[in-house]
Amino acid sequence: AQSVTQLDSQVPVFEEAPVELRCNYSSSVSVYLFWYVQYPNQGLQLLLKYLSGSTLVKGINGFEAEFNKSQTSFHLRKPSVHISDTAEYFCAVSPTGNQFYFGTGTSLTVIP
Amino acid sequence: DAGVIQSPRHEVTEMGQEVTLRCKPISGHNSLFWYRQTMMRGLELLIYFNNNVPIDDSGMPEDRFSAKMPNASFSTLKIQPSEPRDSAVYFCASSLFIGNTIYFGEGSWLTVV
Repeated sequence: AQSVTQLDSQVPVFEEAPVELRCNYSSSVSVYLFWYVQYPNQGLQLLLKYLSGSTLVKGINGFEAEFNKSQTSFHLRKPSVHISDTAEYFCAVSPTGNQFYFGTGTSLTVIP
Repeated sequence: DAGVIQSPRHEVTEMGQEVTLRCKPISGHNSLFWYRQTMMRGLELLIYFNNNVPIDDSGMPEDRFSAKMPNASFSTLKIQPSEPRDSAVYFCASSLFIGNTIYFGEGSWLTVV
């Protein structure tokens, strides 16, 4: 069985500070990993994805994530956040060739 | 390129009425997904299709919900009769194939009063 755990439901952070949003997954097979962002009143947009190769993945808007197979984690990081990064962030797992499983989301609030 | 297109964007309807939500996936994508998002339950997968065939509808809450995909460029999600607890944002999404990146539409915001 597959599952995705986002450990923090809400993360407040000051503008220009670094942030890490945590994601852990469980799966008995190889997986693809994704982070999506949802701005208020909008759909989900792809931030970045890991399919294979380098475990450090860079995405849009200065975000990056690192796949750690031994810890079954795919944490999202940004060295300096902006007000415009305030949004809901979803981690997702896709066992190879199978459907997506989404986490419950982390609400990031950037404080001026 | 046009993304996933959903209609209507917003709908307010009375309890008991039929609601039909529509989706046009990205051209060339052969997998289509319907999700529902609420504050209480987050993002739930309702049903997904592969090559127009429903693969897994175990997320459909009850018989009042039905989904069809008559061709590769169109899908509907129907609720009949609607109830206030159906109020949510319904997202359609598509991908090139199962397991590949999913692209979401802007959502249909449904309010049942």
